[in-house]
Amino acid sequence: AQSVTQLGSHVSVSEGALVLLRCNYSSSVPPYLFWYVQYPNQGLQLLLKYTSAATLVKGINGFEAEFKKSETSFHLTKPSAHMSDAAEYFCAVSDHNTDKLIFGTGTRLQVFP
Amino acid sequence: DTGVSQDPRHKITKRGQNVTFRCDPISEHNRLYWYRQTLGQGPEFLTYFQNEAQLEKSRLLSDRFSAERPKGSFSTLEIQRTEQGDSAMYLCASSLGRTRNEQFFGPGTRLTVL
Repeated sequence: AQSVTQLGSHVSVSEGALVLLRCNYSSSVPPYLFWYVQYPNQGLQLLLKYTSAATLVKGINGFEAEFKKSETSFHLTKPSAHMSDAAEYFCAVSDHNTDKLIFGTGTRLQVFP
Repeated sequence: DTGVSQDPRHKITKRGQNVTFRCDPISEHNRLYWYRQTLGQGPEFLTYFQNEAQLEKSRLLSDRFSAERPKGSFSTLEIQRTEQGDSAMYLCASSLGRTRNEQFFGPGTRLTVL
């Protein structure tokens, strides 16, 4: 069975600091991995996806993630946090047969001025 | 705007009542997914459709839940005899259906069962 684990349910950074949100995956087949962002009382918006092409994936709003097979990781980073980045972030893996998404428990990012 | 829409956005009901939610996917998308998200958790898969065919149902989808997608367009999710444990955000997503294609999410319907 496929799964993802997000380490750290809350992350706090100062505005302008590096953002690092951790995600580890488990999959018996080459995974397709996604990062989504959710603002309060809204649906999910795709930040970026890994589909077995380049291991370093660039997304929207300055976010990027690196797929590391040896570490089974897909951590999300942003060099400089902005106040508007405060939100809930979800890592997900796509089921091999049905494409249904299997989500982690999420990481709430707080950005302080 | 041609994104995924859901109606209603909020629903408050009393325990034991029936509720129905609607999802309108992006028009050319043939796959439609329903997820449930409880407070502090990630979304959990409930069911999905390929056109009008319901291809998979999660064990989370008890016999009180039913979903339809007539004619492969919009979808409805009905919960009968609601329970307080049904209180959650119900999210709908659609995709083109090609392998590993991106899912686009609607804004969700927040259900509160009193």
